[in-house]
Amino acid sequence: DTEVTQTPKHLVMGMTNKKSLKCEQHMGHRAMYWYKQKAKKPPELMFVYSYEKLSINESVPSRFSPECPNSSLLNLHLHALQPEDSALYLCASSQPAYEQFFGPGTRLTVL
Amino acid sequence: ELKVEQNPLFLSMQEGKNYTIYCNYSTTSDRLYWYRQDPGKSLESLFVLLSNGAVKQEGRLMASLDTKARLSTLHITAAVHDLSATYFCAVDISGTYKYIFGTGTRLKVLA
Repeated sequence: DTEVTQTPKHLVMGMTNKKSLKCEQHMGHRAMYWYKQKAKKPPELMFVYSYEKLSINESVPSRFSPECPNSSLLNLHLHALQPEDSALYLCASSQPAYEQFFGPGTRLTVL
Repeated sequence: ELKVEQNPLFLSMQEGKNYTIYCNYSTTSDRLYWYRQDPGKSLESLFVLLSNGAVKQEGRLMASLDTKARLSTLHITAAVHDLSATYFCAVDISGTYKYIFGTGTRLKVLA
């Protein structure tokens, strides 16, 4: 299985809502990532989990809260988001220092 | 500050023509990655270049890496419409799980 899956594909939420994005991989990769991508821009790294521990937080606002329940799963909990947080959220996984495999993404719209 | 720059940012070319996309980076890294992104889709891994002088080819695309010059190229041979997409290079920072993406090159191949 060489696939990273993400749910949901699309999400529309109000600024007072709480929602979660989910990501799963079964390639045995020990690193998992969240990226945010705005239109016509490169992906921006948000968080990295390595061996199920948070190893990188790129000064992301606390309204984004990552969680890694086990080596195959990665969640991103969303609360009190702003309209400017609307973007494509990409999950990726990799072995250390090797190519990343990306999920299909969640298209998030904050009203 | 670590920078990964690509040029050109936008490329419109005729089918059948050849062209090269350049990726310059400012950190020491022996590993460079190329990805393709179709509109509204996620990123697909194209090439992994792991050492100085590495060259990889797949179909009409060929990628190379010169770590001394901190330069990678993605050469397109006899372009076809199906190659229209955005191409990103990325480097990882040695000793971390951090990947930095280039600015992206939007390629449009005209029939």
